[in-house]
Amino acid sequence: EPEVTQTPSHQVTQMGQEVILRCVPISNHLYFYWYRQILGQKVEFLVSFYNNEISEKSEIFDDQFSVERPDGSNFTLKIRSTKLEDSAMYFCASSERQGRSYNSPLHFGNGTRLTVT
Amino acid sequence: QQQVKQSPQSLIVQKGGISIINCAYENTAFDYFPWYQQFPGKGPALLIAIRPDVSEKKEGRFTISFNKSAKQFSLHIMDSQPGDSATYFCAASKRSYIPTFGRGTSLIVHP
Repeated sequence: EPEVTQTPSHQVTQMGQEVILRCVPISNHLYFYWYRQILGQKVEFLVSFYNNEISEKSEIFDDQFSVERPDGSNFTLKIRSTKLEDSAMYFCASSERQGRSYNSPLHFGNGTRLTVT
Repeated sequence: QQQVKQSPQSLIVQKGGISIINCAYENTAFDYFPWYQQFPGKGPALLIAIRPDVSEKKEGRFTISFNKSAKQFSLHIMDSQPGDSATYFCAASKRSYIPTFGRGTSLIVHP
């Protein structure tokens, strides 16, 4: 079964550094998402991406964050200047379509654990 | 404010017992209610979902009960097994299909 893959599985960085989290969505999916999960807390929506542009974002997704689909397969999340509170598990997800179809669930990757020291 | 409240935070059940996890929502525009299952080290995976035009949906040992007037829905796991031990998230979404997740319930099923 096709799956969403994320790399690296664990990233340690120093406060103020830039990090790029990488994701390869399922190949025929058109909608891409980033969520994060702070340890022991709920899964929080960051941003959704369709047709090479952000379609929706949450208040968490401030100017420190950016997303990009640099080629036909990768989908990246960049954090420009990491803060301690950015430490979390970051999940990429993709779905085949959005909106009127209920038969298009989100497929999540296994996550990247980001630790900011 | 879109919010989904989930309880309990943790749940311990004996093998063969019934696990019940409850969720409540506020936004009446929500029209899709999925449950996700997450094993350690893995991302959430869709387990079962319901639309508000039905009051119950059953898939194997997993059942969603939905009460539209009370804005509540729950997951029932019948004949709970140790392999069901995981974190369960309820979620809700509008037609934009970006789900808002609850805080999660850590389920432990003792053999």
